[in-house]
Amino acid sequence: GIQVEQSPPDLILQEGANSTLRCNFSDSVNNLQWFHQNPWGQLINLFYIPSGTKQNGRLSATTVATERYSLLYISSSQTTDSGVYFCAVRANYGGSQGNLIFGKGTKLSVKP
Amino acid sequence: ETGVTQTPRHLVMGMTNKKSLKCEQHLGHNAMYWYKQSAKKPLELMFVYSLEERVENNSVPSRFSPECPNSSHLFLHLHTLQPEDSALYLCASSQGLAGGRKETQYFGPGTRLLVL
Repeated sequence: GIQVEQSPPDLILQEGANSTLRCNFSDSVNNLQWFHQNPWGQLINLFYIPSGTKQNGRLSATTVATERYSLLYISSSQTTDSGVYFCAVRANYGGSQGNLIFGKGTKLSVKP
Repeated sequence: ETGVTQTPRHLVMGMTNKKSLKCEQHLGHNAMYWYKQSAKKPLELMFVYSLEERVENNSVPSRFSPECPNSSHLFLHLHTLQPEDSALYLCASSQGLAGGRKETQYFGPGTRLLVL
């Protein structure tokens, strides 16, 4: 099946710093979503971005589908950005509808 | 608040107990999902329902039994669980399974389950 790798696994930032999180996937995809899981376990959908670039406030994401990677940019980080960021994809080939495969996540800690 | 609620938020049960997890979505969505999140492992999809019909069952043990009585409610019935089933169980919903933005998933807060 499709493989999803996220890097770095852990990231510690000072408040106000910028960061880039990466998601590599092993096959072409028709669905890619970025999620943020806060320290209490709540997952929030950040972007639906199988290709192209989107921005939402301090967050933006770019997916280069032909090169099989996606990037999540966080600018001017805040302590509330702490948590785990997941990339989830669905491969173009076979598989079941709605079956997203999640990466292991990047754990971000933003220090005041 | 994502529009998806789960109860209970925390559950401790013995291996011989029977319990149920409940998920309700207030978004008018047609697809609902159960995921399992264990420590040190990626989220694992367990079940997918579309318009109250199960469309995905990822080789989940029969001690987990899903039920979808209508498009707004999803249950996960638990019986004779094992300690390794302790995990965060997450429910999600999406507008549909037709592809595109409609598949954007919205998650509930999860139920933290501990099996003793």
